[in-house]
Amino acid sequence: EIVLTQSPGTLSLSPGERATLSCRASQSVRSTYLAWYQQKPGQAPRLLIYSASNRATGVPDRFSGSGSGTDFTLTISRLEPEDFAVYYCQHYANSLFTFGPGTQVDFK
Amino acid sequence: EVQLVESGGGLVQPGGSLRLSCAASGFLFRTYWMSWVRQTPGGGLEWVANIKEDGSEKYYVDSVKGRFTISRDNTKTSLYLQMNNVRVEDTAMYYCARAPRLTTPGTFDCWGQGTLVTVSS
Repeated sequence: EIVLTQSPGTLSLSPGERATLSCRASQSVRSTYLAWYQQKPGQAPRLLIYSASNRATGVPDRFSGSGSGTDFTLTISRLEPEDFAVYYCQHYANSLFTFGPGTQVDFK
Repeated sequence: EVQLVESGGGLVQPGGSLRLSCAASGFLFRTYWMSWVRQTPGGGLEWVANIKEDGSEKYYVDSVKGRFTISRDNTKTSLYLQMNNVRVEDTAMYYCARAPRLTTPGTFDCWGQGTLVTVSS
C-alpha cells in the first residue's frame, strides 16, 4: 500500500509570496495518477492538478505541479487571498485511491 | 452544470445502518465511474468505495469491506452507499464524487456538498 506524506503541515505566508508544497510517496508511483486538490473551509475539495502537472479546467496558471517517482511538488507562484486553504495530494493505483494528510496554507 | 447532491446522513448508533444517496445531473451519469469519499472530523480525506459505469465492478477501502455496499441506478442517475454495522470511526462527512477514467484519470473531478454521518450512542 502506498502512503503519501505531505510537508510542511502548515505553511505561513503572505499574499504575493511563492508557496511550495511537497508530496512524497512511500514507493515510486506513476505520475499519470498523481493529483492535487484545494479545500476551503465548509467546501468540498476541488481538483487542481492531475497527472502530476496538468491543470484542471478553470485553474489559474499560478498553480503548477511537477515531480516524478516518489517526489511531487505543487507550486503557487504568487499567492492570492483566495489561495489560503488546505491542499491534498492523491494517488490512484490498482483501483484504490489514497490521499495525503494535507498542507494548510495560512496567513503569516 | 454538473451537480451531485448527497442526502441520507444523520445520527446513528454503533451497529446501526444508514443509506446515503447521491443525485447526479448535468452529465451522462452512466458513462462515469463514481465514488464515495469521506472526511473525518480531524480533516483527513479517505476514499471509501467506487463503482464502474455499469455497476459490474466495485472496490472498497479495507476498513469498510463487508459492511458497506456501493450501488447505482443509472435510470435514476443516482449513487448509493448502504452502511451496515457502523462504527464510531465511520463518523465523517461523506462526499459523492465523479471519477473519470479518460479526461482526468485517477482523480475526482466533481464533488457534492457532502452529507454528515455521526455514529454515536
